[in-house]
Amino acid sequence: QIQLYQSGSEVRKPGASVKISCKTSGHTFSTSEIRWNWLRQAPGQGPEWMGWISAYNGEKSYGQDFKDRLSLTTDTSTKTVFMDLRGLTPDDTAVYYCARQNSDFYKGRFFDFWGQGTLLSVSS
Amino acid sequence: DIVLTQSPASLDVPLGETATITCKSRQSLLYSSNNKNFLAWYQQRPGQPPKLLIYWASTRDSGVPDRFSGRGSGTDFTLTITSLAAEDVAVYFCQQYLDHPPTFGGGTKVQIK
Repeated sequence: QIQLYQSGSEVRKPGASVKISCKTSGHTFSTSEIRWNWLRQAPGQGPEWMGWISAYNGEKSYGQDFKDRLSLTTDTSTKTVFMDLRGLTPDDTAVYYCARQNSDFYKGRFFDFWGQGTLLSVSS
Repeated sequence: DIVLTQSPASLDVPLGETATITCKSRQSLLYSSNNKNFLAWYQQRPGQPPKLLIYWASTRDSGVPDRFSGRGSGTDFTLTITSLAAEDVAVYFCQQYLDHPPTFGGGTKVQIK
């Protein structure tokens, strides 16, 4: 079955960077039909979409709030997606999730499989 | 961005009873070309990631019990949980996927009364 396994919790100081991984299994990784997304969830709030990447052609889309400091990459040999976030502030403290999404608008771009989440804490 | 407003924020329901959650969108989520509502519902149990329950406003995902049902069209949607079970204690979110970026409601916490 499809599984997404994320790297462990991280603690950073303001101004630092963090790179979180999401190793996938049980499916075709590099297909034009799938996008790999990153979302985050602050305590007591709904998830917030950050961006997506296609492992098929490297196409990416970043949310407006993250355009200048987010980088998404993939390693097709290990079926892993990476999220690199720079210029961290305490407001970036949240649980970060990777999630799979169909790329076809007419098939529905909801998120059908999620990683277990990675807690990022940013504090001086 | 499309704003989704959920109500109530929390809900205490006796075991075996019915919970109803509402999600309102500021813009219609009904796409005329295919006559589908681009709305999904997720369940998030404590310490777990969100789990897809329903998409196209009313289609249950594989393995989701039939006590979960989604209804609505346009701007007003509901998620109903009948015969509430202890395992249904969770926060429930709606999400629109009609427009970019995808957005979520603020969540409704369902607890046992």
